[in-house]
Amino acid sequence: EAGVTQFPSHSVIEKGQTVTLRCDPISGHDNLYWYRRVMGKEIKFLLHFVKESKQDESGMPNNRFLAERTGGTYSTLKVQPAELEDSGVYFCASSPPAFNEKLFFGSGTQLSVL
Amino acid sequence: ELKVEQNPLFLSMQEGKNYTIYCNYSTTSDRLYWYRQDPGKSLESLFVLLSNGAVKQEGRLMASLDTKARLSTLHITAAVHDLSATYFCAVREYGNKLVFGAGTILRVKS
Repeated sequence: EAGVTQFPSHSVIEKGQTVTLRCDPISGHDNLYWYRRVMGKEIKFLLHFVKESKQDESGMPNNRFLAERTGGTYSTLKVQPAELEDSGVYFCASSPPAFNEKLFFGSGTQLSVL
Repeated sequence: ELKVEQNPLFLSMQEGKNYTIYCNYSTTSDRLYWYRQDPGKSLESLFVLLSNGAVKQEGRLMASLDTKARLSTLHITAAVHDLSATYFCAVREYGNKLVFGAGTILRVKS
């Protein structure tokens, strides 16, 4: 069974540019999460989708970040315009529909904003 | 606001030695996770601890949970090089929103 897949694995952009990260969850997982780790600090929650609906977006830092999950399958996280402080590792995770299931994480996208 | 503190943040061990990583959290929770991450790889779930006094073991790793003290430990027995990785504890705040500790970088030297 394929795991959670994230693209790209690395992205280097200049301040002010736009970047789109993609996450393909495990097939059949209704729940999809975005987390990020900035500057080697704690991994922090960004948002949670249930199918195509945003269940909780309390961790989104500001309106430069836009997450979508069209059709309840893969998800994208767009940063526009990117700032230096957005640099870090962005993790995606998914879990089955049942409540209280563990999260399966992808390997992350390392974003560097110069 | 739930806060999770992990220590130490860096641990250099000799092979064959024992050590413990500590995870303290600030408010009540019913679920605590331990994850392992190898460089450039995904976070691998090691243990899920659900109740006070829970103890789980897998190979040379043993995790325990004391919900009254809001403390979990990850004990490493007779460390081997393959255990070198970054270890995270994470506590459920609500739903499946997890609050992570800063991570412990473990290096096992032969």
